[in-house]
Amino acid sequence: DAGITQSPRYKITETGRQVTLMCHQTWSHSYMFWYRQDLGHGLRLIYYSAAADITDKGEVPDGYVVSRSKTENFPLTLESATRSQTSVYFCASMIGFPDTQYFGPGTRLTVL
Amino acid sequence: KNQVEQSPQSLIILEGKNCTLQCNYTVSPFSNLRWYKQDTGRGPVSLTIMTFSENTKSNGRYTATLDADTKQSSLHITASQLSDSASYICVVSAKGGNNRLAFGKGNQVVVIP
Repeated sequence: DAGITQSPRYKITETGRQVTLMCHQTWSHSYMFWYRQDLGHGLRLIYYSAAADITDKGEVPDGYVVSRSKTENFPLTLESATRSQTSVYFCASMIGFPDTQYFGPGTRLTVL
Repeated sequence: KNQVEQSPQSLIILEGKNCTLQCNYTVSPFSNLRWYKQDTGRGPVSLTIMTFSENTKSNGRYTATLDADTKQSSLHITASQLSDSASYICVVSAKGGNNRLAFGKGNQVVVIP
């Protein structure tokens, strides 16, 4: 009964490196989301996916890439990490719109 | 302009006391409104969902209200406990072709003994 998991939970990287954050859900929910949470901003949507092979930009997509080849996985890639991408990243899933979102535990990313 | 405004931004309350958090929104057309609780270091968890026809809904010591005419919601915490220390996030869903979710920045509640 894993639900929704994220890995790694903590990551430190350097500017310019590529980083991939993983998100996996066991419910076969159609929708998946990536958010970043920063002090003073709350949760901001980076990308979302309504189904496998369907993704769309959110509020702050620049510098991020997503893919969804399988329903259960929704990885987020920072192609060339910048210090401004230091944040806590949350993945979420939803059965359909607009049902309850189920959030993962978060990944704390630090870019030096 | 943020379509969901929450107030107060933060508050400190004594254990056992009540408090009320506010959420004002401009999202349209309205589908539903959810309150999430986010403990420090964890992801948000849904507390309640309010649809257009619902005025009040309770979940234990949490009671949410909705006034769809004035586009306001509140979350009332009764007899607060230390475990209520968290951020409470209001999320409003818009329906229709432009399905979207609008997030408030959260109310940070600290309960002290």
